[in-house]
Amino acid sequence: QSILTQPPSASGTPGQRVTISCSGSSSNIGSNIVNWFQHLPGTAPKLLIYSNSQRPSGVPDRFSGSKSGTSASLAISGLQSEDEADYYCAAWDDSLNGWVFGGGTKLTVL
Amino acid sequence: EVQLVESGGGLVQPGGSLRLSCAASGFTYSGYWMHWVRQAPGKGLVWVSLINSDGSSTTYADSVKGRFTISRDNAKNTLYLQMSSLRAEDTAVYYCARGRGRGGALDIWGQGTMVTVSS
Repeated sequence: QSILTQPPSASGTPGQRVTISCSGSSSNIGSNIVNWFQHLPGTAPKLLIYSNSQRPSGVPDRFSGSKSGTSASLAISGLQSEDEADYYCAAWDDSLNGWVFGGGTKLTVL
Repeated sequence: EVQLVESGGGLVQPGGSLRLSCAASGFTYSGYWMHWVRQAPGKGLVWVSLINSDGSSTTYADSVKGRFTISRDNAKNTLYLQMSSLRAEDTAVYYCARGRGRGGALDIWGQGTMVTVSS
């Protein structure tokens, strides 16, 4: 069981907006920045969002992140078929003295 | 091109040892913290270990503490993970990733190398 809690699956139709949640605690999300990663099986994971809401260069502005208290969320607007992937949240945990990841959310574009 | 390339994976018996390598190129390797993250078959990403930019500080997940050792050679732009007393549950794809400080973004990842622990 992962320290950060994500829904195991999410889905939407092309053009829709979907949101993926990530719930943690005061020792991780509550006191440290959240990162989001996109992962296609067999490929290198890709940084999607860093510092809670910042996008690396090259990441479309359809992807956005936010954080409130001990929870964070990733929103994807204008859903496209190529967005079908696994999405992970992650943060440093002060109590564990290490990084913690969410269990991952498999996004299906219907 | 900024790139990380892992190598050294393979099949090893339970109780055995293996050393993974991660070759960095296209950036000033000595200026960055580095991480190992793994993904067991059908499971999610799990953080394994990190090392600071000059190699003087390391941290491990409880599941590998005492069995795995992370190290780096800044002259060779290479990161290592020495794994010993391997267990079946260590079977996974192992990724190296570049980090911006201890809690900063893991912004560049390698393609991964598969480690299978089985008799």
